[in-house]
Amino acid sequence: IAGITQAPTSQILAAGRRMTLRCTQDMRHNAMYWYRQDLGLGLRLIHYSNTAGTTGKGEVPDGYSVSRANTDDFPLTLASAVPSQTSVYFCASSDSGGLRDTQYFGPGTRLTVL
Amino acid sequence: QKEVEQNSGPLSVPEGAIASLNCTYSDRGSQSFFWYRQYSGKSPELIMFIYSNGDKEDGRFTAQLNKASQYVSLLIRDSQPSDSATYLCAVNPRADGLTFGKGTHLIIQP
Repeated sequence: IAGITQAPTSQILAAGRRMTLRCTQDMRHNAMYWYRQDLGLGLRLIHYSNTAGTTGKGEVPDGYSVSRANTDDFPLTLASAVPSQTSVYFCASSDSGGLRDTQYFGPGTRLTVL
Repeated sequence: QKEVEQNSGPLSVPEGAIASLNCTYSDRGSQSFFWYRQYSGKSPELIMFIYSNGDKEDGRFTAQLNKASQYVSLLIRDSQPSDSATYLCAVNPRADGLTFGKGTHLIIQP
């Protein structure tokens, strides 16, 4: 069982380019999440999905979009990357998305926007 | 106002001693509380979770929750050099993702 996989592991991107970060889980979890982690700011929620077909905005959603076409995949798209989106991005999943759910994290994608 | 507050450290503890990590939160409606460990360059790894007031023990780790004081802590007994990491406190005030503190950097001195 792989758990959560993310791709790419790292990426350098020119400003203005479009980029999709991939996230796949094999635990059949209903809920999935995207966080970004920046030095001094900690982990912040970008978008979430409590079940396939639904998505919601987190604390820092601007400049990002997500889709949840099926249970396993939750891609994060930067339509036109800007340098302030340089960060480490973590995908996470949990069983049901409830208040007592435990979230498990993927290995992360390190993104640099120049 | 940040919802979850932690002392960023670094917190330096001698090997074999007890490490005490603290966290306060602002949303009184929070029902679940988590401690994650994160090694440099790695992803967060769940250490403990606690829902009820009091103590919860798991091996060398003890989580303590005081909802009246809006305070949650993590004790690590018999600290080992491998415990050196950043410890993230997280709460789940709404069913839409965790709110994290900025983390406490713990250093266990051999």
